[in-house]
Amino acid sequence: QVRLVQSGAEVRTPGASVKVSCTASGYTFTSYAIHWVRQAPGQRLEWMGWINVGNGDKKYSQKFQDRVTITRDTSASTAYMELGSLRSEDTAVYYCARGDIVLIDYWGQGTLVTVSS
Amino acid sequence: EIVMTQSPATLSVSPGERATLSCRASQSVSSNLAWYQQKPGQAPRLVMYSASTRATGIPARFSGTGSGTEFTLTINSLQSEDFAVYYCQQFDYWPLTFGGGTKVEIK
Repeated sequence: QVRLVQSGAEVRTPGASVKVSCTASGYTFTSYAIHWVRQAPGQRLEWMGWINVGNGDKKYSQKFQDRVTITRDTSASTAYMELGSLRSEDTAVYYCARGDIVLIDYWGQGTLVTVSS
Repeated sequence: EIVMTQSPATLSVSPGERATLSCRASQSVSSNLAWYQQKPGQAPRLVMYSASTRATGIPARFSGTGSGTEFTLTINSLQSEDFAVYYCQQFDYWPLTFGGGTKVEIK
């Protein structure tokens, strides 16, 4: 079955960066995109960007494009999301999710990133 | 960006009854709309896509209708496992955007 396993919770200070990993199994990694979506406490889900795992194409939400980098390692079936210049408002659960370019069908378990001084 | 508005914020329903959830888009998204179910401490799960197509493994008591700006998710004969938060999401425009969610709780 499709499985996306994310790295563990992180704590960062303001101004730092964080890199979250997402390891896929149960399907052909290069045949789908990986999206990143976050959910701050009490807030709605917020799409950050995606990577076409097969060809490496990326698209970022304008809100995050200056601070976020999404990459992948096909040999390890793993995608990464790095968010820089962290501020307290970036405290959230970050999800990776599988899909095509626009539709998300399976989600990882989420990674809590806490930004605090 | 497209703003998705869901109503009501909370829906109290007795088991076995019907729940009707609404989602409105700030401009037409055609039928490019998905619904997700999220339970506490869990990741979202795809329930419906293209407005009216059930995702794999979703029971027939879930149905979706709508196009353009107005969409509805109906859950007939609510089961205990259906009590959760439901989010709509448009995938017609970048960035992909989600509604604020409707919590379906036990009455």
